[in-house]
Amino acid sequence: DIQMTQSPSSVSAYVGDRLTITCRASQSISKYVNWYQQKPGKAPKLLIYSTSTLHTGVPSYFSGSGSGTEFTLTISSLQPEDFATYYCQQTYSLPLTFGGGTKVEFK
Amino acid sequence: EVHLVESGGGLVQPGGSRTLSCAASGFTFSGAAMHWVRQASGKGLEWVGRIRTSSNNYATAYGASLQGRFTISRDDSTNTVYLQMNSLKPEDTAVYYCARLHRLPRGAPLDHWGPGTLVTVSS
Repeated sequence: DIQMTQSPSSVSAYVGDRLTITCRASQSISKYVNWYQQKPGKAPKLLIYSTSTLHTGVPSYFSGSGSGTEFTLTISSLQPEDFATYYCQQTYSLPLTFGGGTKVEFK
Repeated sequence: EVHLVESGGGLVQPGGSRTLSCAASGFTFSGAAMHWVRQASGKGLEWVGRIRTSSNNYATAYGASLQGRFTISRDDSTNTVYLQMNSLKPEDTAVYYCARLHRLPRGAPLDHWGPGTLVTVSS
């Protein structure tokens, strides 16, 4: 199985901050990493797929980059509604696997 | 609008069985692979398994930790996907989500999720 290691596991930030979350795969997964946002009590929502493609309706201050084994999700200016938990996921091969999550909290 | 709604969760005794349903609407269900993902309280996301379409012989695949206890099926006539869970253990306690696979040819994400249904395994 491909392990997805996400860091940091939690971060405190201010509205307006630039934030970067990293995901490292245990082997090369080409470009097949996706990012999801989850708020408490809600289902995850797709943000970015195939490393850098924004899902429909996702604000442009979200971006993704990387290739091979190292990937990043960047929020260029945190908004109040962005405080949530973020998960990376590889869809290179089965079983699909997720990172452990990054909880973004108010500082 | 894509809409997925899970049902069938509840309290189950250890060793028991439960079948979850996921009703889909707003898209061509028969053309979409469907996945199940679960999340224990306060924990991360765990992929449970998936079922492909008729053109892919309804192929299924499962997470290794499930050890053959779970079975995914679908009924394209009613736009419903099922998750049958047998020999349930306390560690199967989780919210179970169904999700649609995006129609990318390779490496597709899960682009729409249901709100989830809670399964609690306890005596």
